[in-house]
Amino acid sequence: AQSVAQPEDQVNVAEGNPLTVKCTYSVSGNPYLFWYVQYPNRGLQFLLKYITGDNLVKGSYGFEAEFNKSQTSFHLKKPSALVSDSALYFCAVRDVGVWGNNRLAFGKGNQVVVIP
Amino acid sequence: DVKVTQSSRYLVKRTGEKVFLECVQDMDHENMFWYRQDPGLGLRLIYFSYDVKMKEKGDIPEGYSVSREKKERFSLILESASTNQTSMYLCASTPPTSGRQDTQYFGPGTRLTVL
Repeated sequence: AQSVAQPEDQVNVAEGNPLTVKCTYSVSGNPYLFWYVQYPNRGLQFLLKYITGDNLVKGSYGFEAEFNKSQTSFHLKKPSALVSDSALYFCAVRDVGVWGNNRLAFGKGNQVVVIP
Repeated sequence: DVKVTQSSRYLVKRTGEKVFLECVQDMDHENMFWYRQDPGLGLRLIYFSYDVKMKEKGDIPEGYSVSREKKERFSLILESASTNQTSMYLCASTPPTSGRQDTQYFGPGTRLTVL
């Protein structure tokens, strides 16, 4: 089965500084990778995804992610963090169920705290 | 705009009760999913459905069942609620896989407490 790992539990960053949230993946075949964000007491919102093509993917709210095949990583980045970016961030990879139907396998999530 | 709704934001039930969590999507999506979210464990897939009356077990189906009688509605059933089922439950939907249509759209979640 495909899987992702998010090695850090919490990321603290000062407002205005660059933000990086790490994700590594383990797949057989080509990876389809996703980032989602969850604000307090809300469902998950899609940020961006990598399917193929350019290794730098741009998404919502100024976020981008870099796909690195040699390091099997898909780190989420933002050049200048805002206090409003404080949230829970999930990395995910497309997996395939028993009957060939697609599903997502999620990491455990990273809490991002942006300090004013 | 994409919309996934869940019947309750907060729910409190007693041990042994039968609990129904409802999810409705208005996007004519084939695929629907139920997850539970627990701190430090991320999202874990309970069940998913890829068509009406079709279902597949996820990673943690024990103690749960599902029903998909209509395309827009996917219900999660706790046959006999237990305290270890206290959690946040998230529903999601997605179109059938076709090129770029892999994005899952999530509802706001139901926080279930079993006493």
